[in-house]
Amino acid sequence: DAKTTQPNSMESNEEEPVHLPCNHSTISGTDYIHWYRQLPSQGPEYVIHGLTSNVNNRMASLAIAEDRKSSTLILHRATLRDAAVYYCTLSSYNQGGKLIFGQGTELSVKP
Amino acid sequence: DAEITQSPRHKITETGRQVTLACHQTWNHNNMFWYRQDLGHGLRLIHYSYGVHDTNKGEVSDGYSVSRSNTEDLPLTLESAASSQTSVYFCASSIGRVDEQYFGPGTRLTVT
Repeated sequence: DAKTTQPNSMESNEEEPVHLPCNHSTISGTDYIHWYRQLPSQGPEYVIHGLTSNVNNRMASLAIAEDRKSSTLILHRATLRDAAVYYCTLSSYNQGGKLIFGQGTELSVKP
Repeated sequence: DAEITQSPRHKITETGRQVTLACHQTWNHNNMFWYRQDLGHGLRLIHYSYGVHDTNKGEVSDGYSVSRSNTEDLPLTLESAASSQTSVYFCASSIGRVDEQYFGPGTRLTVT
């Protein structure tokens, strides 16, 4: 199974953009890149996902490298409520759609 | 609004007892998943189902079983609870296999 590598922690200031990196050098052609976040004592929450092209939604943007070996989750204006653990995961149709979670990046946001 | 619920939210049980954790979703999703989350291991897949009467083993399925008799429910059973199964359990569902998964609030299980 392809794995992902993320920094353990990152800090951001409120109302500034945040770029959360993820490396997935062993990604296969059928793997979708998913991002989830988890607040303390809650279940993971879906943020965004994509296959090859960059994606935008109301929560964030996903920038995918041309070779797909890395991606970046972009929070355009961090708020205190964005403080969470962010997980970059891969999901493959051939593997049944199961998500392989790494350790995630703990994002702290300073006022 | 559609949702995914888990019950109980907290459970304490003794070693050797059979325990069943409930998961119920009202999205009419075909795919359902069970994960466990432990410090130092992140989330790991236990079992998953693509539809009624379909079940598949995940990476940490030993000691667990599931059955899918309808679209809405995927109960997780610990046949004989062990202290190593103390964990937080999350259920999730998705409409398609690589689509976003919606997670429940989790069940914290303690096996003494």
